[in-house]
Amino acid sequence: ETGVTQSPTHLIKTRGQQVTLRCSSQSGHNTVSWYQQALGQGPQFIFQYYREEENGRGNFPPRFSGLQFPNYSSELNVNALELDDSALYLCASSSTGFGYTFGSGTRLTVV
Amino acid sequence: GIQVEQSPPDLILQEGANSTLRCNFSDSVNNLQWFHQNPWGQLINLFYIPSGTKQNGRLSATTVATERYSLLYISSSQTTDSGVYFCAVRSNDYKLSFGAGTTVTVRA
Repeated sequence: ETGVTQSPTHLIKTRGQQVTLRCSSQSGHNTVSWYQQALGQGPQFIFQYYREEENGRGNFPPRFSGLQFPNYSSELNVNALELDDSALYLCASSSTGFGYTFGSGTRLTVV
Repeated sequence: GIQVEQSPPDLILQEGANSTLRCNFSDSVNNLQWFHQNPWGQLINLFYIPSGTKQNGRLSATTVATERYSLLYISSSQTTDSGVYFCAVRSNDYKLSFGAGTTVTVRA
């Protein structure tokens, strides 16, 4: 079975720009969630998608938005980038009764 | 939301030593996982263990759900065990809540 894949692996953006991160979920998993991990901290929940609908959101502003597609892959979009958005962004897929499988992440640097 | 506390925050081991990492959580959970984050940032799932005991090679884990804690045991540690270990739980909502992690350094 394929794992969770994320792209790109690294990205450098300028403050004020917009960015799109992509995630392909593990085969058989219908739920995708996104996490932000700042340096030296644990991951923080951004939001979760189930069957193409957002069904949970953490304490992140509306400029963080997402999509889930019929094949369960997902995108995370961040508008009006700020310096504090620099972090590792992790995507996880899951299915009821099973644990979460994480991708290798996208490291975003905002300058 | 649910609170997750991990201890110790840092652990330095000599190769071959055994160790125990602890995770305390503040509410009942329906999902508990232990992860190892490698130097490239990927979270590697070690155990899915909302209750009971599991073993995988030199690693084992026990969750006592009624007392709201979980333990991760590393036996005969190797330098490749170095990294950050996270405990993550999910209560009756939809998100995983992570502890702050335990940074393990194994010295040759």
